[in-house]
Amino acid sequence: EAQVTQNPRYLITVTGKKLTVTCSQNMNHEYMSWYRQDPGLGLRQIYYSMNVEVTDKGDVPEGYKVSRKEKRNFPLILESPSPNQTSLYFCASRRTGGTDTQYFGPGTRLTVL
Amino acid sequence: KQEVTQIPAALSVPEGENLVLNCSFTDSAIYNLQWFRQDPGKGLTSLLLIQSSQREQTSGRLNASLDKSSGRSTLYIAASQPGDSATYLCAVCQSGNTGKLIFGQGTTLQVKP
Repeated sequence: EAQVTQNPRYLITVTGKKLTVTCSQNMNHEYMSWYRQDPGLGLRQIYYSMNVEVTDKGDVPEGYKVSRKEKRNFPLILESPSPNQTSLYFCASRRTGGTDTQYFGPGTRLTVL
Repeated sequence: KQEVTQIPAALSVPEGENLVLNCSFTDSAIYNLQWFRQDPGKGLTSLLLIQSSQREQTSGRLNASLDKSSGRSTLYIAASQPGDSATYLCAVCQSGNTGKLIFGQGTTLQVKP
């Protein structure tokens, strides 16, 4: 089954404790990205990657890092999480080209205390 | 800067009714427009993708139209069912290489039995 998976699905942590949210897709997509969803602000792009070893900032990259060492994986790293990073995070992927459907993962609900 | 607006923010209808959800965008330089469904606490499910050169797409009881020149899209749901209750999100993919989706705030639909 074609899918985007994320882990963990739920995470409660404390300020400053480094964490990684994993994202993996099995569709051989070149393009992957991360979004966060907040009430009243909607979904906003954090980072994206056009292919292996090619990443770039989205609209709200502050406080986040990403890496793309393999085509199928695109982890989101919070090196020193803060309460304002409490949010619902989504990973997405699609084939490169701009005209294709983007497929979203199930989401990771993160709470930073 | 692209802005996407969805009206209404919430809608409650009796089962069986036909309904229309509206989406407007300010910049017509888009690759495509995508409609998603989001159930509470869940991920995004792609419903329909309309390329910038297309006028409409249909899938089952759903029909989406696109008028790029006026910056508008509508999602028509025929014979609504309680299982259609969810939040519906409209997103445009900007022309260019970033592949970023810009989302509206969504319309929360409740279909009453």
